[in-house]
Amino acid sequence: NAGVTQTPKFRVLKTGQSMTLLCAQDMNHEYMYWYRQDPGMGLRLIHYSVGEGTTAKGEVPDGYNVSRLKKQNFLLGLESAAPSQTSVYFCASSWTKDNEQFFGPGTRLTVL
Amino acid sequence: GDSVTQMEGPVTLSEEAFLTINCTYTATGYPSLFWYVQYPGEGLQLLLKATKADDKGSNKGFEATYRKETTSFHLEKGSVQVSDSAVYFCASRETSYDKVIFGPGTSLSVIP
Repeated sequence: NAGVTQTPKFRVLKTGQSMTLLCAQDMNHEYMYWYRQDPGMGLRLIHYSVGEGTTAKGEVPDGYNVSRLKKQNFLLGLESAAPSQTSVYFCASSWTKDNEQFFGPGTRLTVL
Repeated sequence: GDSVTQMEGPVTLSEEAFLTINCTYTATGYPSLFWYVQYPGEGLQLLLKATKADDKGSNKGFEATYRKETTSFHLEKGSVQVSDSAVYFCASRETSYDKVIFGPGTSLSVIP
């Protein structure tokens, strides 16, 4: 089992560029989450999904879009990157909302 | 809204010292409480949890007790090791919510 994997590990973008972060899990989990981690602020939820084909907004959804076309994948898109989106992004998954969340290793994104 | 507050770090301890990391929460109901740990360069991992008042979660020598009267969930370990150096996150989840609220994290460094 690979658990939760994230692609890419690092990325540098220029303001206005777009990109997609990929999260994949092989545990057949229903719930998937995207967080951003910024110094002194802990993890903040961007978007989440409670099952294939569903998505919902979290705490800080502006500037991001997501898709869950397949149960094992959860994509996070930045249509027009801004310096404020410089952060470390973590994906997580869980069986249900009551179960432990399993986290990926993170993607470090820098927007210049 | 719901929130989680942790003691500010960084915390630096000598090996075999006693560790306490304070955590308090605000919630409208009776949330489940968690401690997650993040080792350098990795994603978060669940360390322990408690789902109701007076429950004690424990793992790897760490303990935390759910105190409803003080809305606290302090993390303790009797004798820390260098390998415990990491960032520790307290988190809560209301039973009716799909989302977990994370505290800002407390960085711990243990020196030989």
